[in-house]
Amino acid sequence: IAGITQAPTSQILAAGRRMTLRCTQDMRHNAMYWYRQDLGLGLRLIHYSNTAGTTGKGEVPDGYSVSRANTDDFPLTLASAVPSQTSVYFCASSERESTDTQYFGPGTRLTVL
Amino acid sequence: GQNIDQPTEMTATEGAIVQINCTYQTSGFNGLFWYQQHAGEAPTFLSYNVLDGLEEKGRFSSFLSRSNGYSYLLLKELQMKDSASYLCAVMDSNYQLIWGAGTKLIIKP
Repeated sequence: IAGITQAPTSQILAAGRRMTLRCTQDMRHNAMYWYRQDLGLGLRLIHYSNTAGTTGKGEVPDGYSVSRANTDDFPLTLASAVPSQTSVYFCASSERESTDTQYFGPGTRLTVL
Repeated sequence: GQNIDQPTEMTATEGAIVQINCTYQTSGFNGLFWYQQHAGEAPTFLSYNVLDGLEEKGRFSSFLSRSNGYSYLLLKELQMKDSASYLCAVMDSNYQLIWGAGTKLIIKP
């Protein structure tokens, strides 16, 4: 079934640990995005990639890094997790970086203690 | 700054009609999206408006007025499965989506 997968589904992490959230899409979409969703706030863009080999910073990039080695994969890394990074993380993709509809993965629920 | 406002929560009755409003102030405008998000799940696309007017898609319609920075999502013949959060998002001049906090819609029998 075509779509976006994310792993892990949920994770509890000690502060200071390194963590990589995985995202894979099989729709051959050029653009990919990482968002975080916190209670009472709208989705906030962390990083994006308009095409393989390029990445950009969104609204809340501090403490996070991404890479886009190929079209399908877009991992998000927390180098040294802090409790304020406790959130639900959604990966999304769209055919292009323009007004194309964004399709979302199922999310990763991350708790940093 | 950029801002998207929508009501936090609304309640409606099964079979009725409900209108969810969204007002926005953004740097540039490249369209407005509505997404549905059931609790614990991913957002799913409902509609996209870039020109003024009403777009109808089955039981759901979306309206846009660019001069007023205003949109609404209209849900007709409400069903229990429509209980969800409805997210308004505007694509700004950098082609990035700015999201509202969402409106939680509660449907009562």
